[in-house]
Amino acid sequence: EAGVTQFPSHSVIEKGQTVTLRCDPISGHDNLYWYRRVMGKEIKFLLHFVKESKQDESGMPNNRFLAERTGGTYSTLKVQPAELEDSGVYFCASSPRTGGDPEAFFGQGTRLTVV
Amino acid sequence: QKEVEQNSGPLSVPEGAIASLNCTYSDRGSQSFFWYRQYSGKSPELIMFIYSNGDKEDGRFTAQLNKASQYVSLLIRDSQPSDSATYLCAVGWGSNYKLTFGKGTLLTVNP
Repeated sequence: EAGVTQFPSHSVIEKGQTVTLRCDPISGHDNLYWYRRVMGKEIKFLLHFVKESKQDESGMPNNRFLAERTGGTYSTLKVQPAELEDSGVYFCASSPRTGGDPEAFFGQGTRLTVV
Repeated sequence: QKEVEQNSGPLSVPEGAIASLNCTYSDRGSQSFFWYRQYSGKSPELIMFIYSNGDKEDGRFTAQLNKASQYVSLLIRDSQPSDSATYLCAVGWGSNYKLTFGKGTLLTVNP
């Protein structure tokens, strides 16, 4: 069974540009999460989808970040325009429907560097 | 502000010893507690989760939870060099699995 897949693995962009990160969750997982780890800090929650609906987006830093999950399958996280402080590793995780085992499976992350 | 605190380490133990990793959390309403292992450049991998006070054992790993002290720990028995990694403590609420992570403890097991 394929795990959580994230694209790209690395991205280097200039300040002011736009970047789109993609996450393919494990097939059949209703829950999808985005997290971010800024250098020297802990992994922090960004938002949570249940199927195609945003359940909780309380961790999104500001309106430069836009997450979508069309059709309840893969998700994208767009940063527009990117700022230096957006640099970090962006993790996606998925888990089965609510009420099941609480295991969230993480992808390997996208390392974003804004220069 | 919900916080999860871990000693950043590095924690160094000899092969075969018991490694003890500790974590405290600030929110008394926390309901679920997780230990993830992360090798450098890899994804966090769930080792154990625990909901109730006391101990939970799985192979060489034992998670311990004390809600009164707001403390959760992970013991690794018979530590192996392959256990060398960063161990992340995470705390959750309710059933939506939104997690708050600590910064992680780097464990090194010396052959």
